[in-house]
Amino acid sequence: DQQVKQNSPSLSVQEGRISILNCDYTNSMFDYFLWYKKYPAEGPTFLISISSIKDKNEDGRFTVFLNKSAKHLSLHIVPSQPGDSAVYFCAASLIQGAQKLVFGQGTRLTINP
Amino acid sequence: DVKVTQSSRYLVKRTGEKVFLECVQDMDHENMFWYRQDPGLGLRLIYFSYDVKMKEKGDIPEGYSVSREKKERFSLILESASTNQTSMYLCASEDPVGRRVQYFGPGTRLLVL
Repeated sequence: DQQVKQNSPSLSVQEGRISILNCDYTNSMFDYFLWYKKYPAEGPTFLISISSIKDKNEDGRFTVFLNKSAKHLSLHIVPSQPGDSAVYFCAASLIQGAQKLVFGQGTRLTINP
Repeated sequence: DVKVTQSSRYLVKRTGEKVFLECVQDMDHENMFWYRQDPGLGLRLIYFSYDVKMKEKGDIPEGYSVSREKKERFSLILESASTNQTSMYLCASEDPVGRRVQYFGPGTRLLVL
């Protein structure tokens, strides 16, 4: 069963606009969430994270929002730039104990000039 | 700067061959992981290790084994390669203290004929 789901396989956004990537999870025990970005032929790189004690975390153009009651998180990129074109994975884990990340299927973001 | 290297970027093997994928990290991290990435399935955990000579099964360990003789090196072994093991293999390491972010290598694209 897929505990972390990214229901949009792809997303296309105009340069300069906001990109919103969504992620849902089913395990209410998850308390730490991360977003990774992956370019072709490279490994994923860490982008931003949020713990369950927060509902928002910002880092420059990137903001992650967490809605625990809905078991939903989203990544906002503002403004979107061509270099943001990549596959984005959300991941979830427990802070305590075994640090196993559970990844979503990924969303391919394309920023159009 | 964090560095995770993988022995090969591309590999072509025949069904039944024994395949070794090597991963080395230079950050003195205790935790290391092997994932495979397949379209529409995201990253799935094969095996992980919290210390030298320790290993734990991930979500899809069948057909794989691992070896961790030194802290910096984590090897994935395909005992008898099969065509359904054609995939992108990603190694990661993680410092269990602090942000708990996993750092990935560039990946090995394996084709089993």
